[in-house]
Amino acid sequence: DAGVTQTPRHEVAEKGQTIILKCEPVSGHNDLFWYRQTKIQGLELLSYFRSKSLMEDGGAFKDRFKAEMLNSSFSTLKIQPTEPKDSAVYLCASSTGGALEQYFGPGTRLTVL
Amino acid sequence: GDSVTQTEGQVALSEEDFLTIHCNYSASGYPTLFWYVQYPGEGPQLLFRASRDKEKGSSRGFEATYDKGTTSFHLRKASVQESDSAVYYCALSRGGSAKLIFGEGTKLTVSS
Repeated sequence: DAGVTQTPRHEVAEKGQTIILKCEPVSGHNDLFWYRQTKIQGLELLSYFRSKSLMEDGGAFKDRFKAEMLNSSFSTLKIQPTEPKDSAVYLCASSTGGALEQYFGPGTRLTVL
Repeated sequence: GDSVTQTEGQVALSEEDFLTIHCNYSASGYPTLFWYVQYPGEGPQLLFRASRDKEKGSSRGFEATYDKGTTSFHLRKASVQESDSAVYYCALSRGGSAKLIFGEGTKLTVSS
C-alpha cells in the first residue's frame, strides 16, 4: 500500500501570499491529522479529522489556517495570508482510528520570505 | 492538561554506547504511550507502543517499559549504531483517542 503522500515537498512564499498544501492519506484510514513542526515548538497539532468530520481545530492556528477534507482520500491545508513565522515543516498523518499507529507523510517544508 | 516531557534535548554518543532517553508523562488513568523516530527528511514513524502498566514495548533493539508508578516510559538501547542517529519522540494518547500528545523530541547523534 502507498503511504501518506504530501505535495509539494518544498514551498517558498512571499509574505501575504496564500498557499495550499496537499495530503493523500493511506487508503482506508479514517483519521487524518495536520501538524506543524519547528525546532522550537516541536510537533503541534493543527487539525484532526475523523471520517471527514473536523474533530479539532488548533486554537492558536484558527485565524489564518484552514484544513479541509475534500473527500476521504484528499485533504488540503490553506494558509492565508502567510507570515514569516509560518516557516516550518507541515506534516500530514493518517490512522485507522483509536490509539493506534499514525502514519506520517514526508512533510512539506514551507519558507515564507 | 495531559503532557509529555523529555528531559534530554540532544544526546551525543559513540557507537556501541548504551542509550537512555527519559520520558515522563502527566495524564490520568492509563494512557497509551508511544515512541516515534524521525530520520532526516522523513516523517516520524512508530517504534512501538504500550498500553498497560509494566508492559514492555520493543523494536529494532530499542525498548521501554510502561511504569505507572513513576509515570515514565524511558527509551533504552544497549548498543547504539550510527544508523540510529535521528530524533526520538515520546507521545501519549488517552481514552482510546487517536489524538497524540508529543514530547519535545530528543536528537540522538551517534558517531563512529
